[in-house]
Amino acid sequence: GQQVQQSPASLVLQEGENAELQCNFSTSLNSMQWFYQRPGGSLVSLFYNPSGTKHSGRLTSTTVIKERRSSLHISSSQTTDSGTYLCEGNTGNYKYVFGAGTRLKVIA
Amino acid sequence: EAAVTQSPRNKVAVTGGKVTLSCNQTNNHNNMYWYRQDTGHGLRLIHYSYGAGSTEKGDIPDGYKASRPSQENFSLILELATPSQTSVYFCASGEDREGEVFFGKGTRLTVV
Repeated sequence: GQQVQQSPASLVLQEGENAELQCNFSTSLNSMQWFYQRPGGSLVSLFYNPSGTKHSGRLTSTTVIKERRSSLHISSSQTTDSGTYLCEGNTGNYKYVFGAGTRLKVIA
Repeated sequence: EAAVTQSPRNKVAVTGGKVTLSCNQTNNHNNMYWYRQDTGHGLRLIHYSYGAGSTEKGDIPDGYKASRPSQENFSLILELATPSQTSVYFCASGEDREGEVFFGKGTRLTVV
């Protein structure tokens, strides 16, 4: 069955609005990571976050590993934030699972 | 920043033909990975490697082989390509799997 649920599947924002992306896993995890995929395909690591809260500019990641969930908060969205956001979980023994992604579009 | 370079970036192959996708990383990472990405599936791990000479099966290894001849290079081999292997393939590297992972720009493979 589906091991990773990412929500929402897609999202359209007006520039300046905030977004909260969620990732829930059905299996236990050692750590989680968030990636951004640009339109056109290249992937960028945003956060490696095994637990707690991390900040990077307008982005905040919060992971509660015991509850197998993580969130990514984007504040004051910009058109350049458009793309797909992927979460990934390390389930141990070099097993990694990815969510299907949240496709974000920010319009001016 | 670690550099992960994939080649080719685009490939059209004939069913039954052999395809080799290459990946080179210049940051001396021990661990390297091959994923494929398909609509609705996210990224799925095909093969990975802990270092030169090692290859391990990921979640979807059937129909694929991997080769790690050196620390820098990790290849994905499709001995008999099939249309179901049409996908975008990503290579990644990392020093420790629990740290940051760096991805290549992807290879778009079409098997006709």
